Amino acid sequence: QSVLTQPPSASGTPGQRVTISCSGSNSNIGYSIVNWYHQLPGTAPKLLVYRNNQRPSGVPDRFSASKSGTSASLAISGLQSEDEADYYCSSYDGSLRAWVFGGGTRLTVL
Amino acid sequence: EVQLMESGGGLVQPGGSLRLSCAASGFTFSSFEMHWVRQAPGKGLEWVSYIGISGSNTNYADSVKGRFTISRDNAKNSLYLQMNSLRAEDTAVYYCAREARYNGDGYFDFWGRGTLVTVSS
Repeated sequence: QSVLTQPPSASGTPGQRVTISCSGSNSNIGYSIVNWYHQLPGTAPKLLVYRNNQRPSGVPDRFSASKSGTSASLAISGLQSEDEADYYCSSYDGSLRAWVFGGGTRLTVL
Repeated sequence: EVQLMESGGGLVQPGGSLRLSCAASGFTFSSFEMHWVRQAPGKGLEWVSYIGISGSNTNYADSVKGRFTISRDNAKNSLYLQMNSLRAEDTAVYYCAREARYNGDGYFDFWGRGTLVTVSS
């Protein structure tokens, strides 16, 4: 059972916009920033969004993220086949004194 | 180019020990906090441990506290994870990750490729 809650799956057709939610509490998302990682099959995770809504260089602006209260969301617009991956939200939990992750959302491009 | 390369994984019996290493290159290792994150087969990511830049400040997930020890050698640009009293539920790919900070906010900006630890008799 993950501290942060994500839907296990999401899907969309090429060109569509998909949103992935991440729900937490006052001790994690409500207390700290949210970061997003994506993981292509068989590879290591990679940073996708940091500090709630900042994209590292090289990440296209099709990816956007936001945070409000104890929830966060990742939006992918203009969906492409190469976006098929697992997506994880993460935050620091001040009560647990630990970094926590969501259970991950597997995105399928139909 | 930032590179993190884990090694030391393998098959170990329950109750056994293993020491993982992570060789860092392409950046000033001694200036960055580091972490271990693991992923059980078919499962999500789980943070395991943290170490500060000098090595004197460490933290662990409750699931490994008292069994795992994180350390670093800044002269060798290396991060370590000593794993004792291993259990079947420790079976996972173990990643080392660099923590970047911006205005006090931390995030894992680079990850290694991981090393697989299998705990089984």
